[in-house]
Amino acid sequence: GAGVSQTPSNKVTEKGKYVELRCDPISGHTALYWYRQSLGQGPEFLIYFQGTGAADDSGLPNDRFFAVRPEGSVSTLKIQRTERGDSAVYLCASSLTRSANTGELFFGEGSRLTVL
Amino acid sequence: QQQVKQSPQSLIVQKGGISIINCAYENTAFDYFPWYQQFPGKGPALLIAIRPDVSEKKEGRFTISFNKSAKQFSLHIMDSQPGDSATYFCAASTSGGTASKLTFGTGTRLQVTL
Repeated sequence: GAGVSQTPSNKVTEKGKYVELRCDPISGHTALYWYRQSLGQGPEFLIYFQGTGAADDSGLPNDRFFAVRPEGSVSTLKIQRTERGDSAVYLCASSLTRSANTGELFFGEGSRLTVL
Repeated sequence: QQQVKQSPQSLIVQKGGISIINCAYENTAFDYFPWYQQFPGKGPALLIAIRPDVSEKKEGRFTISFNKSAKQFSLHIMDSQPGDSATYFCAASTSGGTASKLTFGTGTRLQVTL
């Protein structure tokens, strides 16, 4: 499909384990965003990439969270030493323009992370 | 600090009725206000958006009303249909250094009954 693709769709892990979540944006979209959505809440901003660089990572909750986008396309969100409070749906979005203020964000279906 | 407050949390409307969802914001630097629609198991999708230079924007059955002085905006869904049953999120962002971020409300679960 032509939309934003996220894998895995579901991930169950144990407390303390390491997790990687992958996002494949829409082809040609230079901006990529990660959001986290807890049950019954709106998406919460984590990090934004413009090309290969993280332009804004102010939403990452702590240093256990890290994201990369080495070639300016696919991005990986990495979570170390997972905690039960990390359980949420992790949403990836991409857009044509630099800013969420001027361009529509296209979201993927998310990766549901459950930490036991 | 919740910068965008959304109400109601849930809403039940009969088919053909008007659905109204309200949002209020605190940050006066916000200058872009989109609404996103989310179906279960799917990501949010942009429905309609407004900037503060206009007080109303209409696209089909969906209208945003914006009150800059009150720092409030609302979504009206006219002639609501069962297919509109979804969760709706208001959001806001600035055109300054944090233009990359959308701040979302907590969502309204809309159910349109027959």
